[in-house]
Amino acid sequence: GAVVSQHPSWVICKSGTSVKIECRSLDFQATTMFWYRQFPKQSLMLMATSNEGSKATYEQGVEKDKFLINHASLTLSTLTVTSAHPEDSSFYICSARGQVPNTIYFGEGSWLTVV
Amino acid sequence: AQSVTQPDIHITVSEGASLELRCNYSYGATPYLFWYVQSPGQGLQLLLKYFSGDTLVQGIKGFEAEFKRSQSSFNLRKPSVHWSDAAEYFCAVDRSNDYKLSFGAGTTVTVRA
Repeated sequence: GAVVSQHPSWVICKSGTSVKIECRSLDFQATTMFWYRQFPKQSLMLMATSNEGSKATYEQGVEKDKFLINHASLTLSTLTVTSAHPEDSSFYICSARGQVPNTIYFGEGSWLTVV
Repeated sequence: AQSVTQPDIHITVSEGASLELRCNYSYGATPYLFWYVQSPGQGLQLLLKYFSGDTLVQGIKGFEAEFKRSQSSFNLRKPSVHWSDAAEYFCAVDRSNDYKLSFGAGTTVTVRA
């Protein structure tokens, strides 16, 4: 079946540095992907919609200059957390719109810890 | 206002007992409805989904959910829980068929022996 893979699964970075998380559709083309954030013991919140070949659409309250999203190919979207701070520590998870109507596939998620 | 409500933050159930998790949504039209399960430190696994048709939906791992339009509810049930069902459960809604999901706050299920 369709699989969405995220890399890395875990990442620790120093405060002030940038970190990139990849979301890849392994056996299908995903023109649209979505990025969510989940703080510990909280629900998932949609951050942005990643569209292949165009600019991402950000949800209200999400800083687009801090969370850079690039969807340069039909199988890859990347989320870059720039100038990361400890409050950015979270679980980031992506989803992809499948080619079959009404299907959504989630990645395994990526844990980011900023120290 | 929150669009997806899971009233129960934490439920403890004995192994072998039945389980029901509540979910209500506040949209006027019937959205697409989902239930996901998340084990600690893991991603999301889809249990079941409802788009239209039969209001009783069967999912994986013995779960089922019933859509009730009059109550704007989509409650998840399992007749007999197993210890491996201990996890976090999220109800989610796709309001506009745009694949953007709004999640409820989640319900933590603890299974006692």
